[in-house]
Amino acid sequence: ETGVTQSPTHLIKTRGQQVTLRCSSQSGHNTVSWYQQALGQGPQFIFQYYREEENGRGNFPPRFSGLQFPNYSSELNVNALELDDSALYLCASSFPGVLDYGYTFGSGTRLTVV
Amino acid sequence: GDSVTQMEGPVTLSEEAFLTINCTYTATGYPSLFWYVQYPGEGLQLLLKATKADDKGSNKGFEATYRKETTSFHLEKGSVQVSDSAVYFCALASYNQGGKLIFGQGTELSVKP
Repeated sequence: ETGVTQSPTHLIKTRGQQVTLRCSSQSGHNTVSWYQQALGQGPQFIFQYYREEENGRGNFPPRFSGLQFPNYSSELNVNALELDDSALYLCASSFPGVLDYGYTFGSGTRLTVV
Repeated sequence: GDSVTQMEGPVTLSEEAFLTINCTYTATGYPSLFWYVQYPGEGLQLLLKATKADDKGSNKGFEATYRKETTSFHLEKGSVQVSDSAVYFCALASYNQGGKLIFGQGTELSVKP
């Protein structure tokens, strides 16, 4: 098992810029989700991909978008960054049957928007 | 909609004390329940899970029992260590919510020597 790896670990961007965060899923996991965790809060679901198709989305605007690739790695893209986008972004992956296995999380990308 | 409520922190205990962190949930379907732990500066680690009523999840001395009648999944440990200091998140996932995790707000635990 290689686990879930995210890059970069830290990032500072200016308001209005665009950012791409990357995630490499654990081997065999074909479901990937992204979560936003503001300081002192629980993670909030952004969206989920299964076999390269988005199959669930939380209450986030369209400027949050994603991709999942054939090797099950994925990206989170955020356009027109706002100060409130400053947070820890977590990628999580799972085998099919997520309710039985749970998700494996990466260590996250800390995004600071100034 | 589905939701999770945890007891507020921070919780401060002395080493070897008994730990309980309360978690209750609201769900329309039949969720699976999870406890995740987050150490400072890190992501979330799955601590334990239960997939149906009356199941008991356990790991590293922590336990939680899925109680459908009280819609609860309280986390317990008989003797905490300084290394257990972290933030603990209760979460649920159900197929009628697409399998996404819905988290509580987290409970910070601080264990003093």
